[in-house]
Amino acid sequence: TQLLEQSPQFLSIQEGENLTVYCNSSSVFSSLQWYRQEPGEGPVLLVTVVTGGEVKKLKRLTFQFGDARKDSSLHITAAQPGDTGLYLCAGGGSGNTGKLIFGQGTTLQVKP
Amino acid sequence: DAMVIQNPRYQVTQFGKPVTLSCSQTLNHNVMYWYQQKSSQAPKLLFHYYDKDFNNEADTPDNFQSRRPNTSFCFLDIRSPGLGDAAMYLCATSREASDLYEQYFGPGTRLTVT
Repeated sequence: TQLLEQSPQFLSIQEGENLTVYCNSSSVFSSLQWYRQEPGEGPVLLVTVVTGGEVKKLKRLTFQFGDARKDSSLHITAAQPGDTGLYLCAGGGSGNTGKLIFGQGTTLQVKP
Repeated sequence: DAMVIQNPRYQVTQFGKPVTLSCSQTLNHNVMYWYQQKSSQAPKLLFHYYDKDFNNEADTPDNFQSRRPNTSFCFLDIRSPGLGDAAMYLCATSREASDLYEQYFGPGTRLTVT
C-alpha cells in the first residue's frame, strides 16, 4: 500500500518567516502534486512535479521532487497571512488508476 | 472559465432524511471523483467514475450512492444521513488517467446533519 507521510501537521509562524513542509514515502510515485485549500473551499492545484530532482518555483513557493521520486518538499519564503491554509501533497497511485494518495495535510497559520 | 461547480455550497438535512449533492463540470474531463473531508484532514475518496464506469472504494458505506447521467454531471446521494456523515463533500475531475494524475476540485458542499 502506498502511503505519503506529511510533516509537520500544524505550523503557526509570524509573517516574514520561512518554512518547509515535507512529504515522504517508501514508494515511488510517477508524479506528485501540491494543493492549497483555504477554509470552506476546495483544494487548488499549485504544482505537479514529475521528474526526479525537479525544482519548480511559484513566486515565493519552491517545490522539489526527490531524486528517487519518493519524497517532495514545499518551501515558502517570507510567508504572508495570505499563505494561511491547508497544504496537501498527493501522489499518483500505482496501476495508473487515476486515484491520488494524499498526505495527512499541513495546516499553516501565518500571523501578521 | 472552465470549472467544477458544486451545488448547494451548504446543505442542512435531518438525521435519516435522504439528501443529494450535485456537481457539474465544464472541463469536459472524463473522470469524476467524490471525496469526503472532515476538518483539517485529507480528503477521503468515496468513489469515482471513469466515463460511465463506476468505481467504489472498498470502505465506502452502502449509505453513499452516486449517479453520473452524462459527462458533465455527477450526483452524490446519501440515503440515510447519520451525524457522522456531517462533513465537506468535494467533487473533482481529471482527464483520462495519465501519469500526471492532476485533479481539479470544486468548492465543496458543507453538509450539516441535525
